[in-house]
Amino acid sequence: ILNVEQSPQSLHVQEGDSTNFTCSFPSSNFYALHWYRWETAKSPEALFVMTLNGDEKKKGRISATLNTKEGYSYLYIKGSQPEDSATYLCAFLDSWGKLQFGAGTQVVVTP
Amino acid sequence: DAGVTQSPTHLIKTRGQHVTLRCSPISGHKSVSWYQQVLGQGPQFIFQYYEKEERGRGNFPDRFSARQFPNYSSELNVNALLLGDSALYLCASSLFGLQSNEQFFGPGTRLTVL
Repeated sequence: ILNVEQSPQSLHVQEGDSTNFTCSFPSSNFYALHWYRWETAKSPEALFVMTLNGDEKKKGRISATLNTKEGYSYLYIKGSQPEDSATYLCAFLDSWGKLQFGAGTQVVVTP
Repeated sequence: DAGVTQSPTHLIKTRGQHVTLRCSPISGHKSVSWYQQVLGQGPQFIFQYYEKEERGRGNFPDRFSARQFPNYSSELNVNALLLGDSALYLCASSLFGLQSNEQFFGPGTRLTVL
């Protein structure tokens, strides 16, 4: 059974601080890793789709790295702002076309 | 531009009934995926359709089925509803398949089974 795990489950960050959290996934049958941001009462919003080992992607203050050999990805938020408060989900796509989400990391940024 | 649309927004059914959920992708998108999300968990992948063919299937019983139409819209059907089918059902579309394309999610259909 494939297992995508995210840690921590939740974290509180002071405005202006930087933070990061982890997504771990099976290192076999890797096809792609997706990151999403899900704000309360909204639809999940795609952040990154990562396909190559060593990939690094950036969107504004948010960036992500990918290590497919050891099966992990980090998401970084630099200089957190209250609008960064959301649940961040990663999803592992295997070579059979099956996409499995982690349970998410809930980020709360306090002013 | 219209985003992904889903109908209905909310739905209440009783055990044993059948339900059909509908999704219209962003114009030009050829892939539609369906997810079930229960409180406290990440979305669970149900199906992916690309060019009207099933390209991926999650661990859901045969009571769940889907199809994609020539205009790329999609339906998710659930037969013999159980209480445990109560969830938010999300549809997402992407230009091509999931391999290298970001998905755009619809607002979801909240299904309650009594």
